[in-house]
Amino acid sequence: GQNIDQPTEMTATEGAIVQINCTYQTSGFNGLFWYQQHAGEAPTFLSYNVLDGLEEKGRFSSFLSRSKGYSYLLLKELQMKDSASYLCAVSDSNYQLIWGAGTKLIIKP
Amino acid sequence: GAVVSQHPSRVICKSGTSVKIECRSLDFQATTMFWYRQFPKQSLMLMATSNEGSKATYEQGVEKDKFLINHASLTLSTLTVTSAHPEDSSFYICSARDVAGADTEAFFGQGTRLTVV
Repeated sequence: GQNIDQPTEMTATEGAIVQINCTYQTSGFNGLFWYQQHAGEAPTFLSYNVLDGLEEKGRFSSFLSRSKGYSYLLLKELQMKDSASYLCAVSDSNYQLIWGAGTKLIIKP
Repeated sequence: GAVVSQHPSRVICKSGTSVKIECRSLDFQATTMFWYRQFPKQSLMLMATSNEGSKATYEQGVEKDKFLINHASLTLSTLTVTSAHPEDSSFYICSARDVAGADTEAFFGQGTRLTVV
C-alpha cells in the first residue's frame, strides 16, 4: 500500500528553527509537495521537490532523498504566524497526490 | 500565481436538501480537478477525480449517487451533495492542476464549510 508518515505534532520557539520530517512509500514517484494549512482554511503551496537535494525559498527549505523515501521541511526564524499544519504529499505514478496526515506545528513565544 | 475559486465558502442547509459547490480555475485550464473532504483534525481525503467531459472517478467508499460531480468545461467543476445529512457536515476543498504539466503543483480553492442541520 501507499503510505506517508509525518509526526502528528511539534512544538518550537519563536525565532528558532524546526525540521518536519516526512517518509513515504508509494507506487511510483513524481515529486513531493509541502503545503501549509491554517485551521479552517485550504492548504497553500510551499514547495515541490522532484530531484534529490535541498530547495531553499526564503525562510523555508525542503529536502528530498528519493533513495531513502525521505523529505524534510525546514523552517527558520520561526514566527507566530507559522503555527499551522504542514502537509506532505507525494505524486505517485498516476500523478495522484497521496497525502500525509499533517504535522501540527505549535510556536511558543 | 494560478487561482482557483470555490463558492460558497460557507453553507448551512437543512437535512434532506441538496447543496451545490462550484470550483473554478480562473487563469488556467484544468483538465482534471480533485474534490477532497476534510473532517476536523484529520488530513485531506480524496473523494473523487473530476475529468472534463467524462465521468468522475470516485474513491472507494464514496457514494457517486450522493456526491454528484460535473466537469462541464476546462474551468468549472461542481460537486452536489444530494439529500444531505448531518454526517455530511465537513470541509470540502477542490483543487486543480494546469493542463500544461502533470508534475505541477495543485492549486486549491478556498474550501467550503458545509453544515447540515
